[in-house]
Amino acid sequence: DIQMTQSPSSLSASVGDRVIITCRASESISRYLNWYQQKPGKAPQLVIYAASNVQRGVPSRFSGSGSGTSFSLTITNLLPEDSATYYCQQSYSPPSSFGQGTKVEIK
Amino acid sequence: QLLESGGGLVQPGRSLRLSCAASGFTFSSFQMNWVRQAPGKGLEWVSSISGSGDRTYAPDSMKGRFIISRDSSKNTLYLEINNVRGEDTAVYYCAKDGAIRWTFYSWGQGTLVTVSS
Repeated sequence: DIQMTQSPSSLSASVGDRVIITCRASESISRYLNWYQQKPGKAPQLVIYAASNVQRGVPSRFSGSGSGTSFSLTITNLLPEDSATYYCQQSYSPPSSFGQGTKVEIK
Repeated sequence: QLLESGGGLVQPGRSLRLSCAASGFTFSSFQMNWVRQAPGKGLEWVSSISGSGDRTYAPDSMKGRFIISRDSSKNTLYLEINNVRGEDTAVYYCAKDGAIRWTFYSWGQGTLVTVSS
């Protein structure tokens, strides 16, 4: 089974900062990597699919990159509403698997 | 839109069936999924079913006790959990696939299952 590892597990940043979250797969998953945002008490929402495609309705300050085993999610110009936990997920093959999550807090 | 129901307090060893009512899209055209989240923990894929309902998928850890099904006449997805255990306590979300399989484009609000005697 493919294991997904995110880093860091949490971070604190200021409004306006650029934030980068990384996700590593235990084997190559091409570009089958998605990112989800989850706010407390809410369902996750798809932010980025297929490594770099921004889901409809998601602000352009969110971007994704990577392929193979190494991926990243970048939030530029961090806003208070970006405070959430972010999960990566591989959609290369079942069993689908998620990273452990990265909690983003605003200073 | 996806709307889950059927959660609640259940005793260990009992069975439970969760439902997910779908609307606003052609239900039979999309693979559907269940994902769960234990309190304070991360996301865990539980099971998936093809649009036609003829193929199901689950990680080895979920095979046997978790049974996914769908009724296209009712636009409803189901998850039956048998012999529930304490570690099954979680919010259960249904999620819809899209153009790329195993990508969860939209989610329901979740239903909480609490296993306790």
